[in-house]
Amino acid sequence: QVQLVQSGAEVKKPGASVKVSCKVSGYTLTELSMHWVRQAPGKGLEWMGGYDPEDGETVYSQNFQGRVTMTEDTSTDTAYMELSNLRSEDTAVYYCASGPFHILSFAYWGHGTLVTVSS
Amino acid sequence: DIVMTQSPDSLAVSLGERATINCKSSQSLLYSSNNKNYLAWYQQKPGQPPKLLIYWASTRESGVPDRISGSGSGTDFILTISSLQAEDVAVYYCQQYYSTPYTFGQGTKLEIK
Repeated sequence: QVQLVQSGAEVKKPGASVKVSCKVSGYTLTELSMHWVRQAPGKGLEWMGGYDPEDGETVYSQNFQGRVTMTEDTSTDTAYMELSNLRSEDTAVYYCASGPFHILSFAYWGHGTLVTVSS
Repeated sequence: DIVMTQSPDSLAVSLGERATINCKSSQSLLYSSNNKNYLAWYQQKPGQPPKLLIYWASTRESGVPDRISGSGSGTDFILTISSLQAEDVAVYYCQQYYSTPYTFGQGTKLEIK
């Protein structure tokens, strides 16, 4: 049974950075295509970035270019998403989402991490 | 970027009746080399993460009831719930994974009439 367990809620001031973790069990990170999706309060889903099998590298949405960094620690099967220079519009639930490479879509989701940006 | 447009934005259907949600992409999601449509459907209930229902446009994820089905090809896709149950009340999203950024539709809220 695959589980993605995310770190807890965060409250940050504008201009600060946040780093969210996503611990995988039931699979190894190398077997999954890992992505990050966010959802602002009452809004839809927004893909932030993830592993592109076509390029074999992590790709970021232009909406976050220069502010987001996604990394993986395969020794602990933990993925990380760091978002810098936070603004109030970044207040959202951040999900890690992944799936095995043979389906590419997001079969497994973390429970979500609420990041609140407020002065 | 590929734009995904769902219709309608909201839908109210009586229990036991059919619900149909449409999703249109701004370019074809059919990959010619493997004849697969890179389109997924997700269901999201309040306070929960999304749940994968359908991938490759029509392949049902394990555990998804067979009253839920996906169809379509190219740029036009449909999610059908053949006989609405109370537990189907949710917001439904389509998503393309043909090319990055992997964009989602705006969501369709399904309610009981």
